[in-house]
Amino acid sequence: GQNIDQPTEMTATEGAIVQINCTYQTSGFNGLFWYQQHAGEAPTFLSYNVLDGLEEKGRFSSFLSRSKGYSYLLLKELQMKDSASYLCAVRSKGGATNKLIFGTGTLLAVQP
Amino acid sequence: DAGVIQSPRHEVTEMGQEVTLRCKPISGHNSLFWYRQTMMRGLELLIYFNNNVPIDDSGMPEDRFSAKMPNASFSTLKIQPSEPRDSAVYFCASSQRQGTGTYETQYFGPGTRLLVL
Repeated sequence: GQNIDQPTEMTATEGAIVQINCTYQTSGFNGLFWYQQHAGEAPTFLSYNVLDGLEEKGRFSSFLSRSKGYSYLLLKELQMKDSASYLCAVRSKGGATNKLIFGTGTLLAVQP
Repeated sequence: DAGVIQSPRHEVTEMGQEVTLRCKPISGHNSLFWYRQTMMRGLELLIYFNNNVPIDDSGMPEDRFSAKMPNASFSTLKIQPSEPRDSAVYFCASSQRQGTGTYETQYFGPGTRLLVL
């Protein structure tokens, strides 16, 4: 089976740094995605990791450890507009290589 | 460049009625996905197509749900008959499937908010 765990909610302060964790258990692994979803809107792509290590993209970075089944999304210099739900998604290895399994998301509230 | 287009954006219907949701993927994309999102279960994949062919429909909840993709630019998700527990946001997403060793990003449409009374 497949299981993806994320914290349900987090709160952080404007200008600070926040780390959103994701752990997964899958029958096969072929990459991990992070998506951002503002309330009432569609998910939008943030980052992709398939090899161990850190991928940096502006204020956002994503880390992956395949041996630990663990990833995190790091948001720096938080802004109010970063208040959103952050979804971790894993792509399985095998015939259905472009099928994603999503976690239930972490709702981040950025406070002044 | 237009993104994924879904219609209707909102749908309110009564239990037992047929509901049809529509999706136009991004031009040139060859994979299309239907998802359902609820507070309790999050974002769930219902079915996806590669080159208009259904590849995996294991997420379709039951026989009341069906999906078609008659051509590369159009897909429908139909619920017949609808039930109150089908109330959710239904997203369509598309991607350009790459070769092995690469990844493709899924682009989501704005969603259809369905309420079944």
